[in-house]
Amino acid sequence: DIVMTQTPLSLSVTPGQPASISCKSSQSLLHSDGKTYLYWYVQKPGQSPQLLIYELFRRFSGVPDRFSGSGSGTDFTLKISRVEAEDVGVYFCMHGLHVPRTFGQGTKVEIK
Amino acid sequence: QVQLQESGPGLAKPSQTLSVTCTVSGGSISTSENYWSWIRQPPGKGLEYIGYISHTGNTDYNPSLKSRVTISADTSNNQFSLKLTSVTAADTAVYYCARDRGWGFFDYWGQGILVTVSS
Repeated sequence: DIVMTQTPLSLSVTPGQPASISCKSSQSLLHSDGKTYLYWYVQKPGQSPQLLIYELFRRFSGVPDRFSGSGSGTDFTLKISRVEAEDVGVYFCMHGLHVPRTFGQGTKVEIK
Repeated sequence: QVQLQESGPGLAKPSQTLSVTCTVSGGSISTSENYWSWIRQPPGKGLEYIGYISHTGNTDYNPSLKSRVTISADTSNNQFSLKLTSVTAADTAVYYCARDRGWGFFDYWGQGILVTVSS
């Protein structure tokens, strides 16, 4: 199985300030079709996970443009340019290269 | 708008079988290229992928659970189900059903159902 490792595991951010989460995979997520099958999901308090970013950098429908995904191969980053109160939650990276999909441990984002 | 709703007993006894059903509305489980999936989350922990059943009835499972898992579909009721045998306390979790559009693109999730394994 591909191991997904996130850092940090928790983050406390002042509203309006940026935040960054790192995710590393144990093998490259670049497929021969040229796409990188790396996803970011957020689980807000008391809710199911929801899709934020797919295929490394593409924002899902309705996701604000303050969220961006980047990286390549085995190293990935989710950035929030200006954190808002509604961004509180646990952020998970996940690979979609094959079954089983595997998730990072999650990064809990809190507001200072 | 696709909606998924899990249902089933919230309690399972050790060594017995856990069963959860996902009812899909707003779209048919037997059309277009979708992979109807199960993911679980032990209380306070991370997400674990269980497996899927495709729109054609093909299945694939997490190898760590493969010997105990069966995912099946009831197309007449637009439902798909998870059965997990020989459960232990380690199988206590919130079980989510979700639609995978392929390659891990989970765009719709159920609200989740907590299943506790306890005697």
